Amino acid sequence: AQSVTQLGSHVSVSEGALVLLRCNYSSSVPPYLFWYVQYPNQGLQLLLKYTSAATLVKGINGFEAEFKKSETSFHLTKPSAHMSDAAEYFCAVSRTGGFKTIFGAGTRLFVKA
Amino acid sequence: EAGVVQSPRYKIIEKKQPVAFWCNPISGHNTLYWYLQNLGQGPELLIRYENEEAVDDSQLPKDRFSAERLKGVDSTLKIQPAELGDSAVYLCASSLGNLAGEETQYFGPGTRLLVL
Repeated sequence: AQSVTQLGSHVSVSEGALVLLRCNYSSSVPPYLFWYVQYPNQGLQLLLKYTSAATLVKGINGFEAEFKKSETSFHLTKPSAHMSDAAEYFCAVSRTGGFKTIFGAGTRLFVKA
Repeated sequence: EAGVVQSPRYKIIEKKQPVAFWCNPISGHNTLYWYLQNLGQGPELLIRYENEEAVDDSQLPKDRFSAERLKGVDSTLKIQPAELGDSAVYLCASSLGNLAGEETQYFGPGTRLLVL
């Protein structure tokens, strides 16, 4: 079985500060890992995904995430937060040959001016 | 390219009434998903279609929920009768259907259901 844990339901940063959103996964087989973002009243959209190529994955809007197998983590970072980054972020896991994606509970990011 | 379209965007009904949600996926996407998103939670899969075939409906409460994708394109999710606990956002997503677990899913804006 697969699962995802997002540490911190809410994260608040100042504009220009580092963004770090934490995600740990559990999977008995090599995982695929995703970060999706959800803006208010919109559907989820893909930020980036890990599919067993490079462990450091770069996504849209300056976000990146690093797959660390030893730590079973896939934390999302951005060097400098912007007001427009305020949204809810979901980490998700799936596996080779399977279509079922398991989503974490989400982390709401607040950006202070 | 048009995204995933869902309607209605909002629905308020009284308990025990029926309700239906409609989804039109991105053109050419063979896989269609219906998710339930409760407040403060991530999406949870209700049902997945490969073309017109429901290939994973294990999480769909079949006593009151039903879904169809008759021609392998758009889909309808129905609840009858609705209960107070069904209040949530119902998300539809689609994907190409040829990359299995590494596929990107494209989500619609969701239908926000309130059952009174």
